[in-house]
Amino acid sequence: SQKIEQNSEALNIQEGKTATLTCNYTNYSPAYLQWYRQDPGRGPVFLLLIRENEKEKRKERLKVTFDTTLKQSLFHITASQPADSATYLCALDLYRGSTLGRLYFGRGTQLTVWP
Amino acid sequence: AAGVIQSPRHLIKEKRETATLKCYPIPRHDTVYWYQQGPGQDPQFLISFYEKMQSDKGSIPDRFSAQQFSDYHSELNMSSLELGDSALYFCASSSGQTKETQYFGPGTRLLVL
Repeated sequence: SQKIEQNSEALNIQEGKTATLTCNYTNYSPAYLQWYRQDPGRGPVFLLLIRENEKEKRKERLKVTFDTTLKQSLFHITASQPADSATYLCALDLYRGSTLGRLYFGRGTQLTVWP
Repeated sequence: AAGVIQSPRHLIKEKRETATLKCYPIPRHDTVYWYQQGPGQDPQFLISFYEKMQSDKGSIPDRFSAQQFSDYHSELNMSSLELGDSALYFCASSSGQTKETQYFGPGTRLLVL
């Protein structure tokens, strides 16, 4: 069966440290993998997208890696801040031109950054 | 920058009633997606539209229908509401020409009593 698993439902780290979130998937062949941030009761906010032929992407304090052999993506937040506390969702997009990209989401990892 | 607009933001209905949720995509976006997120759950894809035509269909109950209008806004119609329909309903939009990223609206919280 198809699954998207994100490491531990909750991750607690100290301010200034690097948070590393994991997304593993089985029986999918995504063209894109995306990371979203979601605050309670709010809509997901797009953070980063990485294509299947890319290994790594960076944006400010964020970095995402994508290993299609391991079927895994790692999402890093460096120099974490309490304002980074939120739920982070991994989403797969199978779009390769024949469909229009419904997203398949993982359950998310709730990150708490404490001072 | 303009974002996706959803209305209403909150809705309370009784069982067996009907509800209509509206979504206004980002200007010049031609693709709209609807997702349902139950409490503590990940968003589940319901249906999408591209250029006013249904483009993909997910786990949307037969009691629900949706459409995209000429101005690209979309409406999700929900009939014979059940308690289990209580959830957050998100609309997202993207551009069909450079489709990669979906931008989500703030959601409509539906409570069925």
